[in-house]
Amino acid sequence: DARVTQTPRHKVTEMGQEVTMRCQPILGHNTVFWYRQTMMQGLELLAYFRNRAPLDDSGMPKDRFSAEMPDATLATLKIQPSEPRDSAVYFCASKSAPLQETQYFGPGTRLLVL
Amino acid sequence: GEDVEQSLFLSVREGDSSVINCTYTDSSSTYLYWYKQEPGAGLQLLTYIFSNMDMKQDQRLTVLLNKKDKHLSLRIADTQTGDSAIYFCAESRDGGSQGNLIFGKGTKLSVKP
Repeated sequence: DARVTQTPRHKVTEMGQEVTMRCQPILGHNTVFWYRQTMMQGLELLAYFRNRAPLDDSGMPKDRFSAEMPDATLATLKIQPSEPRDSAVYFCASKSAPLQETQYFGPGTRLLVL
Repeated sequence: GEDVEQSLFLSVREGDSSVINCTYTDSSSTYLYWYKQEPGAGLQLLTYIFSNMDMKQDQRLTVLLNKKDKHLSLRIADTQTGDSAIYFCAESRDGGSQGNLIFGKGTKLSVKP
């Protein structure tokens, strides 16, 4: 049963601290997405990668957020320094190459910045 | 507008049919999707429809697509309490070539016993 996994599932931190969220895409999927979900904004696309190369990160605040794929089995999203307005659920999703294939979502990381 | 739009709430009684509506924006969208999100969980793909179809049925789920009006709907027959969740409509705005999806804000479906 292939799934996208995310760690940690929950994170509480203080303003100014660095936060790192990790995602393991489904094996063989070559496209990875990072989303942020809040009550006010709904689901927002932050960035996505294809074959580990960033394709679009225009949805991400560049001054404090960074997304990388060190290898095909790991995607990371970092926030430094974190702020209370970053509190949200962060989802990773992955998909394989064929056009008709859709995205498979991980369970999310629930982040609370105090 | 540029947003995928959905009504925010829907309440039905168990056993009734639920219809969740969505309007999308890009007439070139190749695929349109319905995702379900249960409390505390990620989004789960329910079904999708290719843009050259106007209807797709999958067990209790029926998707209707009106390309002229850019209107998509999801009908759930014999709605059960386990169907209570948030339902997201999504379109592949770039024609699906990159897999980039634009999501609506979701419709929260409440099913009363």
